[in-house]
Amino acid sequence: GDSVTQTEGQVTVSESKSLIINCTYSATSIGYPNLFWYVRYPGEGLQLLLKVITAGQKGSSRGFEATYNKEATSFHLQKASVQESDSAVYYCALSANSGTYQRFGTGTKLQVVP
Amino acid sequence: NAGVIQTPRHKVTGKGQEATLWCEPISGHSAVFWYRQTIVQGLEFLTYFRNQAPIDDSGMPKERFSAQMPNQSHSTLKIQSTQPQDSAVYLCASSHSGTNTEVFFGKGTRLTVV
Repeated sequence: GDSVTQTEGQVTVSESKSLIINCTYSATSIGYPNLFWYVRYPGEGLQLLLKVITAGQKGSSRGFEATYNKEATSFHLQKASVQESDSAVYYCALSANSGTYQRFGTGTKLQVVP
Repeated sequence: NAGVIQTPRHKVTGKGQEATLWCEPISGHSAVFWYRQTIVQGLEFLTYFRNQAPIDDSGMPKERFSAQMPNQSHSTLKIQSTQPQDSAVYLCASSHSGTNTEVFFGKGTRLTVV
């Protein structure tokens, strides 16, 4: 079935340093799923960070970027310079165009330290 | 727009008791989803409705769990004979037209079974 695998556990990055959270997917039900990154800030609900529905395209939001790489079946989340306010839990997700629900990875907790 | 509203935010039940969780989706959204969040499994899909009709309940444990959507303004998730392993955060979400668009999440109900 369709699935998402992302960097597990917690990632600690120093402020102003670069970040990459890995995400790879398997989409057996469809060749080109829609891909998403969601974020949950402390005390808040899960919310969409960015999405890309076309292979080869890049999505960006709040300084974060992710490129839909269908050859590598990847959708890594990157940021050039993180801030303490980026500390949150990040989830990679996919949905098939057949109208099924979104499937999520296990989440990656980002802690940005001074 | 108050977003997706989930009540209660916290619920403690004794082993063997019943728990009912409530969700009010965003007005006008046709799709409603239930997920369960645990540290080990991450975000697990449980079930979803479109225009109040159950579409996919493949993630629901076959025994003890049931979900309903009696009208467009609320959905319930009921767990009978709760067990300690049911302890988790249960998330409700809604979206406009299925799963290829942004999904808006509530803040969740933290269920603790003692």
